[in-house]
Amino acid sequence: DIQMTQSPSSLSASIGDRVTITCRASQSISNYLNWYQQKPGKAPNLLIYAASSLQSGVPSRFSGSGSGTDFTLTISGLQPEDFATYYCQHSYTTLTFGGGTKVEIK
Amino acid sequence: QITLEESGPALVKPTQTLTLTCTFSGFSLNTGGGGVGWIRQSPGKALEWLALIYWNDDKRYSPSLKSRLSITKDTSKDQVVLTMSNMDPVDTATYYCAHPTLRYCSSTSCLEYFQHWGQGTLVTVSS
Repeated sequence: DIQMTQSPSSLSASIGDRVTITCRASQSISNYLNWYQQKPGKAPNLLIYAASSLQSGVPSRFSGSGSGTDFTLTISGLQPEDFATYYCQHSYTTLTFGGGTKVEIK
Repeated sequence: QITLEESGPALVKPTQTLTLTCTFSGFSLNTGGGGVGWIRQSPGKALEWLALIYWNDDKRYSPSLKSRLSITKDTSKDQVVLTMSNMDPVDTATYYCAHPTLRYCSSTSCLEYFQHWGQGTLVTVSS
């Protein structure tokens, strides 16, 4: 099965910072990669699909890039409501999630 | 508007079989593209995809849990049922059902993502 490795597992950042989260697949998954945001006690919320397509209603400060095995989620100008845990997920074979990246306030 | 709601026991004993029901509205499992997936999250841990069923009865399971899982649909009730056998304390988790969007498929793979989620139901496995 294809494994998804996210890095870092956690990070501390300040309001207004540019934050980058990486997701690496154990083999090529083309662009079959999605990103979610999850806040404590809540279900995940879809941010990005197909590696770089912004889900409707998601602020434009979120962006995704990558193809093959290496993918990036970028938050340009971190806002208070962005402190959360972020997950990547591929659908190339199964629908495996990454281990998550927790974004905390510095 | 698409909504999903999970229901089932909050507490199960080790070795028992868990049965969870997802009741949904706003889409149909009688029509092309309709589907329901199950995802769980152990306390403080990452999301883990479990199973998925589509309108055409295509069923897919997590390879690591396939032997313990079964997913079925009841189109007359707009429900999907997940059963997990031989429950263990490590299976304690919040279980979510979600509606997948099937965006496009190549010859080998499909872009699928979960746009709509239930609120989740916490299942504790303990004697």
